[in-house]
Amino acid sequence: DAKTTQPTSMDCAEGRAANLPCNHSTISGNEYVYWYRQIHSQGPQYIIHGLKNNETNEMASLIITEDRKSSTLILPHATLRDTAVYYCIGTSGGYQKVTFGIGTKLQVIP
Amino acid sequence: NAGVMQNPRHLVRRRGQEARLRCSPMKGHSHVYWYRQLPEEGLKFMVYLQKENIIDESGMPKERFSAEFPKEGPSILRIQQVVRGDSAAYFCASLKGQGLQDTQYFGPGTRLTVL
Repeated sequence: DAKTTQPTSMDCAEGRAANLPCNHSTISGNEYVYWYRQIHSQGPQYIIHGLKNNETNEMASLIITEDRKSSTLILPHATLRDTAVYYCIGTSGGYQKVTFGIGTKLQVIP
Repeated sequence: NAGVMQNPRHLVRRRGQEARLRCSPMKGHSHVYWYRQLPEEGLKFMVYLQKENIIDESGMPKERFSAEFPKEGPSILRIQQVVRGDSAAYFCASLKGQGLQDTQYFGPGTRLTVL
């Protein structure tokens, strides 16, 4: 799995877009970038994943740089319920041991 | 998280007792991961299982910990002779086992407290 680097914490005003960066400079060609989040005391929740194209779903957008060394998760209109720890991981799929770092603690402020 | 079940949600044990944590994967999923999370820390990989087979147990402590995923029934994480340091949240995740783009879906976790 690729090693990823994320800021420890971020704040975002409610209603604004939250942009969470992730560096994954060692990511290999067949590794996907996955994002999960963990709301306090709950099990992690899948958000989105991508390989090299930008992706969007009902929860978020994922922007991956052309060189694939970094990506940004975008929550377009953050709400208080988006307050959570967000994890970025690089993995080539289900048969790989996945390592979760400490993630980014996003605090959405009213 | 819908579909992956873990029980019990909370488990209290005294030092020296055994703890058994159960994980029922989503329907159609034949692979399970177990993770441990200490307070204010990230998830640490423990073991990755396929039905009746351990794929990777490199994250499991060498002693007292074991895991299984039988052909029928839930996956079991077993901790023998628990110590205070075993107190943590234990999460399982299931996936279909299709390889690339195989997303993990997590259960709600079991919070183990060792007195």
